[in-house]
Amino acid sequence: GDSVTQMEGPVTLSEEAFLTINCTYTATGYPSLFWYVQYPGEGLQLLLKATKADDKGSNKGFEATYRKETTSFHLEKGSVQVSDSAVYFCALSDQGGKLIFGQGTELSVKP
Amino acid sequence: DVKVTQSSRYLVKRTGEKVFLECVQDMDHENMFWYRQDPGLGLRLIYFSYDVKMKEKGDIPEGYSVSREKKERFSLILESASTNQTSMYLCASSYPTSGSSYNEQFFGPGTRLTVL
Repeated sequence: GDSVTQMEGPVTLSEEAFLTINCTYTATGYPSLFWYVQYPGEGLQLLLKATKADDKGSNKGFEATYRKETTSFHLEKGSVQVSDSAVYFCALSDQGGKLIFGQGTELSVKP
Repeated sequence: DVKVTQSSRYLVKRTGEKVFLECVQDMDHENMFWYRQDPGLGLRLIYFSYDVKMKEKGDIPEGYSVSREKKERFSLILESASTNQTSMYLCASSYPTSGSSYNEQFFGPGTRLTVL
């Protein structure tokens, strides 16, 4: 079945460092891909999405490009802030429209 | 702003108790979902509903049931709580997905359930 694999956390960075969180997927067909973020004590919220190959999703300085050839959707940010500390989830939508999530990657940014 | 609310942020129950988790959304969404979130496992879908009185099993429905009597409300029921159901439970809602058009899922803040 469809699945999503993310790099394990926790990831600890200093403020203004470059961030990459790796995400790869296995799917039949052509899923849409997403990154959700969960700030401490809150539910998940959509960070960005891409619906077809070579699409780039972006929001709040974060970017991810849908790479069909490598089945990847890595999340990047050029300069992280303390306020970016959260858990990040990569997800895909299956053919029935449901979301399949990766295991989540906890990011901690130190001042 | 879309709002998805869950009845409790924290809940402590005893083994064997019947537990009700309530979720309410105010955006007239057709779709509603219940997930559980566990460290290292991400979110796993328990049940979902595409419309009032309709329900579909997700990936881990065993030990759970659901009820959707009104469009805005989706309840998760643990018929006889067990310690392995200690977890964070997240509710979400969305408009229907149509063809290749995906509609964002909006999440509630979660209920952290502890079963003793």
